[in-house]
Amino acid sequence: AQKVTQAQTEISVVEKEDVTLDCVYETRDTTYYLFWYKQPPSGELVFLIRRNSFDEQNEISGRYSWNFQKSTSSFNFTITASQVVDSAVYFCALSEANYGQNFVFGPGTRLSVLP
Amino acid sequence: EPEVTQTPSHQVTQMGQEVILRCVPISNHLYFYWYRQILGQKVEFLVSFYNNEISEKSEIFDDQFSVERPDGSNFTLKIRSTKLEDSAMYFCASIESSYNSPLHFGNGTRLTVT
Repeated sequence: AQKVTQAQTEISVVEKEDVTLDCVYETRDTTYYLFWYKQPPSGELVFLIRRNSFDEQNEISGRYSWNFQKSTSSFNFTITASQVVDSAVYFCALSEANYGQNFVFGPGTRLSVLP
Repeated sequence: EPEVTQTPSHQVTQMGQEVILRCVPISNHLYFYWYRQILGQKVEFLVSFYNNEISEKSEIFDDQFSVERPDGSNFTLKIRSTKLEDSAMYFCASIESSYNSPLHFGNGTRLTVT
């Protein structure tokens, strides 16, 4: 069965520090997609990035970067030079090509960036 | 940019009452979802809907729940007889094609059952 684990329940950093949010997944499928979503205090769920199982290239978007490693079934998310506006709950999610249409979310990591 | 819209943003109801949560997915999207998030907890899958029928549902989605796409634009979630434990944020989402598309979420409906 598909499963997503985010071992860090809460992280606190001081502004300008770098922070990495961990995501480990389990899947029986060979074709799958991984996602990160941000849930700010206002409550909406905001899509950040998608990565497919065939593309292990790391991605950078501004202060955000993602490290996908199939060998360790991990898809970690790093925020460089964190800002107070990065404070949110971050969810990692997985969808599989061949085992249903639902997306499974990890439990989330609450990031607090202190000024 | 097109977005998923949900109404109402907050619904308060008494235990045992029926509620209908409404969603308008993005117009060219084909797959529709309802997710639930109990306060401070994880985002849980309820049901997916494609081609006018349920394609998958979770154990949470029991006989008290139903979904409908009554008119080609709205997508509704009905809870027949609400329980206290149904209090949660309910998110509607849609995707354009399949498992490789990101979910586009609405802003959610906060349901409070008293």
